[in-house]
Amino acid sequence: GAGVSQSPSNKVTEKGKDVELRCDPISGHTALYWYRQSLGQGLEFLIYFQGNSAPDKSGLPSDRFSAERTGGSVSTLTIQRTQQEDSAVYLCASRLAGGPGELFFGEGSRLTVL
Amino acid sequence: AQSVAQPEDQVNVAEGNPLTVKCTYSVSGNPYLFWYVQYPNRGLQFLLKYITGDNLVKGSYGFEAEFNKSQTSFHLKKPSALVSDSALYFCAVRDEDTGRRALTFGSGTRLQVQP
Repeated sequence: GAGVSQSPSNKVTEKGKDVELRCDPISGHTALYWYRQSLGQGLEFLIYFQGNSAPDKSGLPSDRFSAERTGGSVSTLTIQRTQQEDSAVYLCASRLAGGPGELFFGEGSRLTVL
Repeated sequence: AQSVAQPEDQVNVAEGNPLTVKCTYSVSGNPYLFWYVQYPNRGLQFLLKYITGDNLVKGSYGFEAEFNKSQTSFHLKKPSALVSDSALYFCAVRDEDTGRRALTFGSGTRLQVQP
């Protein structure tokens, strides 16, 4: 597609359940990022993938959070045993590798944990 | 470590007046600086970036930003505001000299343009 695609756009789940959020980056973009935006807050970096390099996981808030990127394209962010404080909009972004290129963001996945 | 500060939660300006949204940054090396805009229930859209060269950077929708190294600032400006400019604006920085590739974002500034 022309842009970064995220699904689902909205997810409501019960506390303690696991959720998976999907990101399909722009074709040819080898760098992929996940950010979290809580209500009224800025963007919090979660994880970064670049090609076949080991991902930068330094932003993941707990071991309940994990992400993978299969085949250098689609990425899945998994949150296990969700808590109410996990409620946020999860944004995915991609960019061309190398240099200081700007990030292109998806529309986000809004997660609500009841 | 890299960080960004947007000191104003909200900026109000009348349509047709000039606007400024402030941003200051902190990096240990040379900065790459970015501005993004977010409309309600949408993702972030890129406006402009400073990498090197001219301190005045021009971007989308008539916006521009001025890089000031001595003041470690990168304020967003527009000569004449439109009601449609009302949105949430984010400044972001990346330190060129570190291996970190993630952008650090400010907390955002809500711009309200009154007709």
